[in-house]
This record gives sequence, C-alpha cells and structure tokens, in this order.
Amino acid sequence: DAGVTQSPTHLIKTRGQQVTLRCSPKSGHDTVSWYQQALGQGPQFIFQYYEEEERQRGNFPDRFSGHQFPNYSSELNVNALLLGDSALYLCASSTNSNSPLHFGNGTRLTVT
Amino acid sequence: AQRVTQPEKLLSVFKGAPVELKCNYSYSGSPELFWYVQYSRQRLQLLLRHISRESIKGFTADLNKGETSFHLKKPFAQEEDSAMYYCALSPFNQAGTALIFGKGTTLSVSS
Repeated sequence: DAGVTQSPTHLIKTRGQQVTLRCSPKSGHDTVSWYQQALGQGPQFIFQYYEEEERQRGNFPDRFSGHQFPNYSSELNVNALLLGDSALYLCASSTNSNSPLHFGNGTRLTVT
Repeated sequence: AQRVTQPEKLLSVFKGAPVELKCNYSYSGSPELFWYVQYSRQRLQLLLRHISRESIKGFTADLNKGETSFHLKKPFAQEEDSAMYYCALSPFNQAGTALIFGKGTTLSVSS
C-alpha cells in the first residue's frame, strides 16, 4: 500500500498564475482533506471532499478550489497566485467513519 | 475561538531524561485531541489520540479538561524520539474531519 501520494513534489509558479495539485488517497479511503503549511506553522485546514463534494471548508478565499473524482482522488486548484501562497500543501485521506487522517508527503509550492 | 497552543518551539533533552511537550487548547465543546509526529524526511503521522488511551512508543497524553491541556509525556527519552510534534484538535469529535493544529514543537534528544 503506497499510502497517500501527492504530485508534483515541488512547483515554482509566478504571481498571478494558476496551479493544480494532485492527490491519491490511501487504498480504502474515500475522504480527502487539504491543508496548507506555511514555514514555521502547523498545517491549516483548507477543505475536505467526500462523495465528490466539498463537505467542509476552512478560512480560505475562493481562489482555492478543489475537486474529487469518482476514484476518490482529488485536485487542489489555486488561482491568481500570491506570494503568500508559497507553502507546503498537504493532502490527507481518511474513511468517512471516525478514522484518523493519513497524510501525504506534500507539494512544496513556491510563488515568485 | 478554537485554538491550539504549543508554547515551546524547541525542547532539548538528554537521552534518558523525562520529556513533556506542552499543549493547551481553546474550545467551547468537547474536543477530540491528537498528537501527530513528523520524523526527519518522513510524512506527518498520528502518534496518539486521547480517546484510545494508548501508549505509543512510550508516549502518553492525558486530556485535562479543567486546565484545557493535553501534554505529551515520556519518562525516558530516546534519540529516535527526535522529531517535530504537533498537537491537534478536532472540533467535530470525528477524527477524519477538520483538524486545528498547533505550531509544533521540535524535540531534540542528544546523547
């Protein structure tokens, strides 16, 4: 079991551009959550997807959007990138029951 | 406001010494609390959760609702315990839902 996989591992974008990050959940998991981790901070919840719909959302602007596919994989899209969007983006999967989160290794996004 | 506070950025101890990583929380309801750990070059992983009352790798944590704390303790630190530790709170009493993380504490164990 490969666990949660994320791609790409690193990404460099220019301010104003758009970016798409991808995540495949752990086998048997149907719920995907995304977190942003700025340098020196703990992970901050962006949103969660279940049954291809956004179920919960944190305090992030509409520039951050996502999608979940029928195979439970997920994408995180960020439009109109700002320098402050530079961070490690973590994907975590779980089952819909009371199971703990399993995290991926993250995608390091740098906005210049 | 819901918040998790880890007051120490860095905790340095010698091998064999006791360890206590502090975590305080602010939450109006009944939270579920977790400790996550990230070893060097590894992904963030669950260490323990308060409802399971388990001892993982010799670590324990007790939820003190009166003091709103969930400190992580180990009686004798090992060098392999060196890692980044995050305390986290679930506001919906479900482990798979949104977690609120503290800023983390780096534990450094030296011989």
